[in-house]
Amino acid sequence: GAGVSQTPSNKVTEKGKYVELRCDPISGHTALYWYRQSLGQGPEFLIYFQGTGAADDSGLPNDRFFAVRPEGSVSTLKIQRTERGDSAVYLCASSRTGTGMNTEAFFGQGTRLTVV
Amino acid sequence: DAKTTQPNSMESNEEEPVHLPCNHSTISGTDYIHWYRQLPSQGPEYVIHGLTSNVNNRMASLAIAEDRKSSTLILHRATLRDAAVYYCILRALSSNTGKLIFGQGTTLQVKP
Repeated sequence: GAGVSQTPSNKVTEKGKYVELRCDPISGHTALYWYRQSLGQGPEFLIYFQGTGAADDSGLPNDRFFAVRPEGSVSTLKIQRTERGDSAVYLCASSRTGTGMNTEAFFGQGTRLTVV
Repeated sequence: DAKTTQPNSMESNEEEPVHLPCNHSTISGTDYIHWYRQLPSQGPEYVIHGLTSNVNNRMASLAIAEDRKSSTLILHRATLRDAAVYYCILRALSSNTGKLIFGQGTTLQVKP
């Protein structure tokens, strides 16, 4: 289909390791978002890209988290020195634009990250 | 962004209408009311949004109080597939980012 695709769907890593999570947004969507969702909680905003630039990274919890979107399409969320508290479902969403009235967001299925 | 308040959980019987309430007493004049839902093991999906007038689409209806301090998402005929967490979210039209601030939402259980 033409939805938001996230890979891998599941990732188990050891504490202290580096991980990369990938998001393929819907073609033509200029806005891309990363969220994190812990068990029993609503999704928590991490970062927003408009095109290639990070327009709002106020939700990144610390400097171990970084995201890129070099060509304005695919995005990668990078987590360094993973900790057990980073375990969560990481959700990616895209929308046609990030501003204005019609900013319906389309979410991927998420990547479940488990740090052991 | 202004805050919303929703009941933690609700129950409904299959094929009956469901009214999911949301309070947003601090809403500002340019805040849009958005509803998303999240089915088990899925990412959230858009349901509906509105500003002042009631809105209808193929999934649901949104009834907005005249003072805009509350709204109600209406599922006209609940099915088992409607069992999900429903989130009511305010987003300012003037916002320069489309980010969504999710609360805890309402977990809807649909009984056969």
